[in-house]
Amino acid sequence: KAGVTQTPRYLIKTRGQQVTLSCSPISGHRSVSWYQQTPGQGLQFLFEYFSETQRNKGNFPGRFSGRQFSNSRSEMNVSTLELGDSALYLCASSLASGNRKETQYFGPGTRLLVL
Amino acid sequence: GQNIDQPTEMTATEGAIVQINCTYQTSGFNGLFWYQQHAGEAPTFLSYNVLDGLEEKGRFSSFLSRSKGYSYLLLKELQMKDSASYLCAVRSLRSNDYKLSFGAGTTVTVRA
Repeated sequence: KAGVTQTPRYLIKTRGQQVTLSCSPISGHRSVSWYQQTPGQGLQFLFEYFSETQRNKGNFPGRFSGRQFSNSRSEMNVSTLELGDSALYLCASSLASGNRKETQYFGPGTRLLVL
Repeated sequence: GQNIDQPTEMTATEGAIVQINCTYQTSGFNGLFWYQQHAGEAPTFLSYNVLDGLEEKGRFSSFLSRSKGYSYLLLKELQMKDSASYLCAVRSLRSNDYKLSFGAGTTVTVRA
């Protein structure tokens, strides 16, 4: 079974631009979560999508948004990029079976550099 | 919300044992996860605890005390490949959703 895939793997943008990142979960997984990872802050939860609906949201400004499609693939968008948005963006998928022992599987991440 | 603390760095010798502590404060608790992350790679699942006690998986064990808001990950017979960042994560107590709050991670360096 293929793992979680994320595209692109690397991205360089300038301040003020916007960016869209893509995540394809493991086949059959219905929940997709997004995290931002920086050396100073560690892994921070952005949002979670399930059945095309945002089910949970972290403490990030409205510039960060996402969506999920009917095939469970997800995208996240960051508008008006700031230097502080430079980070590794990780996507994680899970079955969402309701079993609380269920784990999340992470993709390789998209490394975003904002200049 | 969650407040999760773990040491920033630890160093140990090949073949030794290292214990990584994690303390948490949470408004609701629905399980604690440990992940391993090698530099430049995605985090990978190591262990899960929801009840008090020790869970053993080969060279790795994880312990939980819910009353103390405390967990540890024990790595035995350390190997060079165990050099990585170890992330403690708490799942919040909400039905059917999946929000994990992570600690900043503990970088373990294994020396020969």
